[in-house]
Amino acid sequence: DGGITQSPKYLFRKEGQNVTLSCEQNLNHDAMYWYRQDPGQGLRLIYYSQIVNDFQKGDIAEGYSVSREKKESFPLTVTSAQKNPTAFYLCASSIVPGQTYSGNTIYFGEGSWLTVV
Amino acid sequence: AQKVTQAQTEISVVEKEDVTLDCVYETRDTTYYLFWYKQPPSGELVFLIRRNSFDEQNEISGRYSWNFQKSTSSFNFTITASQVVDSAVYFCALSLMFSGGYNKLIFGAGTRLAVHP
Repeated sequence: DGGITQSPKYLFRKEGQNVTLSCEQNLNHDAMYWYRQDPGQGLRLIYYSQIVNDFQKGDIAEGYSVSREKKESFPLTVTSAQKNPTAFYLCASSIVPGQTYSGNTIYFGEGSWLTVV
Repeated sequence: AQKVTQAQTEISVVEKEDVTLDCVYETRDTTYYLFWYKQPPSGELVFLIRRNSFDEQNEISGRYSWNFQKSTSSFNFTITASQVVDSAVYFCALSLMFSGGYNKLIFGAGTRLAVHP
């Protein structure tokens, strides 16, 4: 079945440690995104990528890094510079619109819980 | 300002009751899209509906219906004859186009719906 797979589902990070969250999609989507969700709040965009080897900062990119070496994969690294990393992280993907804006639907994975211990 | 407001933080109903989730948005763009997503306890965001700014027709899908009114900048979601399986957090989102055709989702804070037997 086509979809977006995130791993691990639960991750614990020690102070000062970098951790990487995996995101793989087999939907043949060009665009991929990372969102952060805090309790009782909506989602906020961390990074997005429209094409392989290219990515852009979202609204809250500080303390995070990404790479896009393959179309299917968009891993997110939460660095030690991120002071409050405990949150729920959601990866998403969509087709890339052409010249005409068409509000393409963004599809989400099941998310990863990150907790600092 | 681009913003989505879901004023109802939590709603609790008894099974078979009808319930309406409110969504009010702000944007100066004339072309935009509105979305509703459902987030069950498992965490994944499930796409429910997409509506463009030029289509104000109401839509019905089974027990779900949506009322889009540009005059009041609202995109409300009604569940008829609610069921326990409808219990989830529901997010309304506004999609705007940015440079390069990239579309960004702006989320509301979500409404937690609890349906009791």
